[in-house]
Amino acid sequence: KAGVTQTPRYLIKTRGQQVTLSCSPISGHRSVSWYQQTPGQGLQFLFEYFSETQRNKGNFPGRFSGRQFSNSRSEMNVSTLELGDSALYLCASSEGGQPSGNTIYFGEGSWLTVV
Amino acid sequence: DQQVKQNSPSLSVQEGRISILNCDYTNSMFDYFLWYKKYPAEGPTFLISISSIKDKNEDGRFTVFLNKSAKHLSLHIVPSQPGDSAVYFCAARGTNSGGSNYKLTFGKGTLLTVNP
Repeated sequence: KAGVTQTPRYLIKTRGQQVTLSCSPISGHRSVSWYQQTPGQGLQFLFEYFSETQRNKGNFPGRFSGRQFSNSRSEMNVSTLELGDSALYLCASSEGGQPSGNTIYFGEGSWLTVV
Repeated sequence: DQQVKQNSPSLSVQEGRISILNCDYTNSMFDYFLWYKKYPAEGPTFLISISSIKDKNEDGRFTVFLNKSAKHLSLHIVPSQPGDSAVYFCAARGTNSGGSNYKLTFGKGTLLTVNP
């Protein structure tokens, strides 16, 4: 079974631009969540989607948004990029439904550098 | 306020010995805990988890212990191997229905170095 797939793996953007990252969850998984990893802040939760609905959102500005499609694939978008948005963006998937003891599996991440 | 804490930024052990990584949490609503291993430039890899109804879970060389009264868990790796060298993250979540439980709260990680 294929794992969580994220594209692109690496990208460089200029301040003020916007970026869209894509994530395909493990087959059969309906919950997709996004995390940002930076050296100073560690792994920070961005948002989580299930059945195309956002169920939870972390403490990030409105420039960070996401969505989930009917096939469970997800995208996240960052508008008006700032230097501080440079980070590893991780997508994770789980079976979804109720939180229960479902394990969350991560993709390889998308490295975003803002210059 | 950091709800999951890994107070040791780094740990160095000899090959073949035991590695013990510690994690403390403050949120009493957390009742499911996971450990992830992470290499640079890669996503976290799930290692082992434990529910609060248990105090121990074992999978091969990895054992996680949970002391719910102390809000403390630890990951034991025996025997340690050079390939175990990585950053280890402790993560926690609640399992009751509710928006806040649809996410993991992570510690800052512990860099484990296993020396040959």
